[in-house]
Amino acid sequence: EAGVAQSPRYKIIEKRQSVAFWCNPISGHATLYWYQQILGQGPKLLIQFQNNGVVDDSQLPKDRFSAERLKGVDSTLKIQPAKLEDSAVYLCASSSLAGRAEQYFGPGTRLTVT
Amino acid sequence: GNSVTQMEGPVTLSEEAFLTINCTYTATGYPSLFWYVQYPGEGLQLLLKATKADDKGSNKGFEATYRKETTSFHLEKGSVQVSDSAVYFCALNRDDKIIFGKGTRLHILP
Repeated sequence: EAGVAQSPRYKIIEKRQSVAFWCNPISGHATLYWYQQILGQGPKLLIQFQNNGVVDDSQLPKDRFSAERLKGVDSTLKIQPAKLEDSAVYLCASSSLAGRAEQYFGPGTRLTVT
Repeated sequence: GNSVTQMEGPVTLSEEAFLTINCTYTATGYPSLFWYVQYPGEGLQLLLKATKADDKGSNKGFEATYRKETTSFHLEKGSVQVSDSAVYFCALNRDDKIIFGKGTRLHILP
């Protein structure tokens, strides 16, 4: 079974530029999550999708971050414009259903904003 | 609110030593508890879990017991290996929200 795929693995941009990350979850997984992991901290949930609908985006900085999952499969997370404090690893995870099901994580995208 | 506190790292041990990484939590109700591991350059992997009080999760020689009375879920392994070097995250799931601790980096010396 293929795992959660993410791209790119690394990205370096200047502040005020835009960037987009892509995630392809495990086939058949209805729930998809984006997390932000700042160095030295645990992952923090940004947004959760159930199929193509948003379940929770309460911690997503909506003035600069956006995410979509148009067909209920893969997803993109965008930052526009980026700030220095956005430097982090962005993790995508998926699970077969919401609740107590295990979440499977991708390798992450390491973003550096200079 | 819900939160997870785990011991600060890094933790450095010699191979075959006994490992304990402390984790305590604050949560309303009865969360599920997890330990995730992150090997260098890889994503997080679920190591073990427990869904109710007194449950013991185990995997790859690691164990943790859900202690409701002390709100703890300490990770233990009797004899660590160099390959166990990684970052370990304690986490809870309450109402489908996973909250992670800050992580503990573990170095095992040969």
